[in-house]
Amino acid sequence: EAGVAQSPRYKIIEKRQSVAFWCNPISGHATLYWYQQILGQGPKLLIQFQNNGVVDDSQLPKDRFSAERLKGVDSTLKIQPAKLEDSAVYLCASSLGITGYEQYFGPGTRLTVT
Amino acid sequence: AQTVTQSQPEMSVQEAETVTLSCTYDTSESDYYLFWYKQPPSRQMILVIRQEAYKQQNATENRFSVNFQKAAKSFSLKISDSQLGDAAMYFCAYRSGYNTDKLIFGTGTRLQVFP
Repeated sequence: EAGVAQSPRYKIIEKRQSVAFWCNPISGHATLYWYQQILGQGPKLLIQFQNNGVVDDSQLPKDRFSAERLKGVDSTLKIQPAKLEDSAVYLCASSLGITGYEQYFGPGTRLTVT
Repeated sequence: AQTVTQSQPEMSVQEAETVTLSCTYDTSESDYYLFWYKQPPSRQMILVIRQEAYKQQNATENRFSVNFQKAAKSFSLKISDSQLGDAAMYFCAYRSGYNTDKLIFGTGTRLQVFP
């Protein structure tokens, strides 16, 4: 079974530029999560999708971050414009459904904002 | 709000020895789940072990076991017979049992394993 795929693996941009990350969850997984992991901290949930609907985006900085999962499969997370403090690893995870299912994580995208 | 605290930024152990990683949490909820995740360098985070709060018996998965002290809000991970492949960041995480999948992570403990 293929795992959660993410691209790119690494990205370096200058502040005020925009960037997009892509995630393809495990086949059949209805729930998709985006986490932000700043160096020295644990991952923090940014947004959770159930199929193509948003379940929780309470910690997403909506003035600069956006995410979509249009067909209920893969997802993109965008930052526009990026700030220095956005430097982090962005993790995507998926699970079969809501509540009680194990989350499977992708390898992450390491973003450096200079 | 729930919080998870890992007070050991780094730990080390010799191969074949036993090491214990500490985790404490704060919650007012009675229904919740606790997890330990392993994140090897540049690799995916994987679930090591989970514990349901309503279960008194400590969870065990092969060489990994937990010491769940509900009253003390403590959830430590014991790794027995440590192997070089156990070297990684270990994160303790909390999930409410009330209609949410949101994981709340601690800051992690970096485990080094020496031959």
